[in-house]
Amino acid sequence: DVKVTQSSRYLVKRTGEKVFLECVQDMDHENMFWYRQDPGLGLRLIYFSYDVKMKEKGDIPEGYSVSREKKERFSLILESASTNQTSMYLCASSSPGASDSGNTIYFGEGSWLTVV
Amino acid sequence: GESVGLHLPTLSVQEGDNSIINCAYSNSASDYFIWYKQESGKGPQFIIDIRSNMDKRQGQRVTVLLNKTVKHLSLQIAATQPGDSAVYFCAEVSNDYKLSFGAGTTVTVRA
Repeated sequence: DVKVTQSSRYLVKRTGEKVFLECVQDMDHENMFWYRQDPGLGLRLIYFSYDVKMKEKGDIPEGYSVSREKKERFSLILESASTNQTSMYLCASSSPGASDSGNTIYFGEGSWLTVV
Repeated sequence: GESVGLHLPTLSVQEGDNSIINCAYSNSASDYFIWYKQESGKGPQFIIDIRSNMDKRQGQRVTVLLNKTVKHLSLQIAATQPGDSAVYFCAEVSNDYKLSFGAGTTVTVRA
């Protein structure tokens, strides 16, 4: 069964703290993504990675960085958390040609981050 | 029940009726589309997908229709059940595997 696991479901952090959000997938997927989801704004892509040690900026990378040292793990880092980064963060993964129909993209359950 | 037009943010459906959720996509070069269901407090769950070389694909109680001429996608749910209450998103996938999401439609099933 497909599995994308986000280790932290709920976090509360203080302004200025460094925050790590971890994501692990067990499907040997090449591609991994980080999105944030906010009411009225939908899902917005922060960063993605299509291979180990590779990363590409998404639509809203400011204030974030990522790390992909191993194929199965993709970490989102907030160097200095701010209140406007309070959001639900979603990790996803996919593999080119993984299915006959296309490059199905699977999501984790989400990490709710509150910055106070 | 049906969300008519480009997008309606909410759809209320009587249990047992069929639901139709509509979505307009923006990139005529997108060649792969996915429908997701998202329940409160959870991540998006894959429902069904379709490639651009198809105009219809069926799953269990769900059908996706693709009209490339008008860049329109729809999801049909047969015999809607209370467990179908959720937010439904369409997504188009570009050639670099990034997704662009529609705004989402909240489906509420009335008993």
